[in-house]
Amino acid sequence: EPEVTQTPSHQVTQMGQEVILRCVPISNHLYFYWYRQILGQKVEFLVSFYNNEISEKSEIFDDQFSVERPDGSNFTLKIRSTKLEDSAMYFCASTSRTADTQYFGPGTRLTVL
Amino acid sequence: QKEVEQDPGPLSVPEGAIVSLNCTYSNSAFQYFMWYRQYSRKGPELLMYTYSSGNKEDGRFTAQVDKSSKYISLFIRDSQPSDSATYLCAMTRTQGGSEKLVFGKGTKLTVNP
Repeated sequence: EPEVTQTPSHQVTQMGQEVILRCVPISNHLYFYWYRQILGQKVEFLVSFYNNEISEKSEIFDDQFSVERPDGSNFTLKIRSTKLEDSAMYFCASTSRTADTQYFGPGTRLTVL
Repeated sequence: QKEVEQDPGPLSVPEGAIVSLNCTYSNSAFQYFMWYRQYSRKGPELLMYTYSSGNKEDGRFTAQVDKSSKYISLFIRDSQPSDSATYLCAMTRTQGGSEKLVFGKGTKLTVNP
């Protein structure tokens, strides 16, 4: 069964550094998402992406964040200058027009020191 | 009032018990309702997807939606230790998941052998 994959599984970085989180969505899916989950809190929407542009973004998704689909398979989330409060699990999700809902990857645990 | 409210538990039951998990919501525009299961430090995994009021059954799992009360439930019959996980309710306004999902905080369930 096709799955969403994410790399790395765990990323440790220093405050102020740039990080790029990578996702490979399910191959025939057209809608892509990033969510995050701070430890002990709920899963929160960050951004949705369709047809090579952002469809919607939350208040969390400020100028420090960007997304890109650099080729036909990868979908990336870049945080330009990480803050301590960016420490969280970051989940990528994808879906298609005919799918019932969104399918999530296993997540990348980001730790900012 | 929060958009989606879910009792975080924790909930501990003996093996074989019937488990009831619930969410309430405030936004009457939500039309599609999902239950995800999340194991520790893993991505959410879709369990059930429902639209409109009523019940939907899948094996030991039954999802129930009451739009008039803005209340959804997930019942687990004959619970097993492998059901131990955090259960997240999620909802959206449109079909197919092309719009962001709004999650509850999750209920942590432990089924004791």
